[in-house]
Amino acid sequence: NAGVMQNPRHLVRRRGQEARLRCSPMKGHSHVYWYRQLPEEGLKFMVYLQKENIIDESGMPKERFSAEFPKEGPSILRIQQVVRGDSAAYFCASSGQGGSGANVLTFGAGSRLTVL
Amino acid sequence: DQQVKQNSPSLSVQEGRISILNCDYTNSMFDYFLWYKKYPAEGPTFLISISSIKDKNEDGRFTVFLNKSAKHLSLHIVPSQPGDSAVYFCAASYPGNQFYFGTGTSLTVIP
Repeated sequence: NAGVMQNPRHLVRRRGQEARLRCSPMKGHSHVYWYRQLPEEGLKFMVYLQKENIIDESGMPKERFSAEFPKEGPSILRIQQVVRGDSAAYFCASSGQGGSGANVLTFGAGSRLTVL
Repeated sequence: DQQVKQNSPSLSVQEGRISILNCDYTNSMFDYFLWYKKYPAEGPTFLISISSIKDKNEDGRFTVFLNKSAKHLSLHIVPSQPGDSAVYFCAASYPGNQFYFGTGTSLTVIP
């Protein structure tokens, strides 16, 4: 019974390339959240998705970043034309419901993006 | 706009003593609060939670206290152990919304 699976665990890209980070939620979970942790900083919310829907993308940079959670397959966080400032750990989390209730976010181990 | 705040970036405690980590929030709509623990190079792991209808929840060495009037919660760890050394994040949520995280407190338990 795998938890939240993220891949790749480590990704190195040169400036201007694209980065794709994948997240498979826990079995039975239909809500996915992406967070970013910059060096020496806390967890910054990026986007909250349900299957085929973006519920809240208020934390996503307006340009170059996009996220999806298709009906089939993992959620994908896509960063186009990466810059050095995108270097961070990107964490995916899933839950059975959105917010509240006896509801807990379960996190993956993270994907560490390094932009050269 | 930081809706959940952890004002102490770090805390050092002697082994066996009590560790108290604090968290403040601004949104009165929050009805569920959680604490996560994070080791370097790993994802955060859930520690303990509390609903807004309670003011205390205990699980072994970990107790979370909620003061709704002050919009404040705290995590008590007693007795503290060296393995508790990690970064602790508090988080809050309300129905249908994202989970808001604080900036974390790095706890060091000195043997």
